Amino acid sequence: DSGVTQTPKHLITATGQRVTLRCSPRSGDLSVYWYQQSLDQGLQFLIQYYNGEERAKGNILERFSAQQFPDLHSELNLSSLELGDSALYFCASSDYYNEQFFGPGTRLTVL
Amino acid sequence: DQQVKQNSPSLSVQEGRISILNCDYTNSMFDYFLWYKKYPAEGPTFLISISSIKDKNEDGRFTVFLNKSAKHLSLHIVPSQPGDSAVYFCAARVQGAQKLVFGQGTRLTINP
Repeated sequence: DSGVTQTPKHLITATGQRVTLRCSPRSGDLSVYWYQQSLDQGLQFLIQYYNGEERAKGNILERFSAQQFPDLHSELNLSSLELGDSALYFCASSDYYNEQFFGPGTRLTVL
Repeated sequence: DQQVKQNSPSLSVQEGRISILNCDYTNSMFDYFLWYKKYPAEGPTFLISISSIKDKNEDGRFTVFLNKSAKHLSLHIVPSQPGDSAVYFCAARVQGAQKLVFGQGTRLTINP
């Protein structure tokens, strides 16, 4: 158990819909990262927050957005969903420069 | 542009032998490299890391080697055990940043 929790574990929705994925980092970690893993692909970095502020952005679509709240949990919002958005979404946390610890992921299926 | 590449999608090794997983990178600004292990239905688990100022780091059965001139790193597992069967991801971090760039992963199967 990495100490990072993600909900929900599975999400099935239709094209055009909007969903919110939730992540709680390890106790004490200020950095939260979101990654996407599509079928047979490596993990693609989406976005990083540090203590409530956006710190780095990867290849995140404009339809996607994220935020980190004062209690340090983070949410990833995916809107106008397309079939190609079906993937595993992982959240990770770290205490800045050290290793990132990953949550179990949310499997999103867009039908 | 795939900055971190794991060219072997899969590898099969007999139990007790050495497993060698390889990773190549193109970005000279990477200064820290990590290996993660992933079981099905779980998130990646940190395994071992190496700073670019070193060429070897060892932790029990796991050793990571870094060849900066060749932009190549490898993970050695010896002896290999059935529980090592998983997907292994190589990752790299650019100096001054925290985000990780991952390879595509190598599925390691340890045969009894």
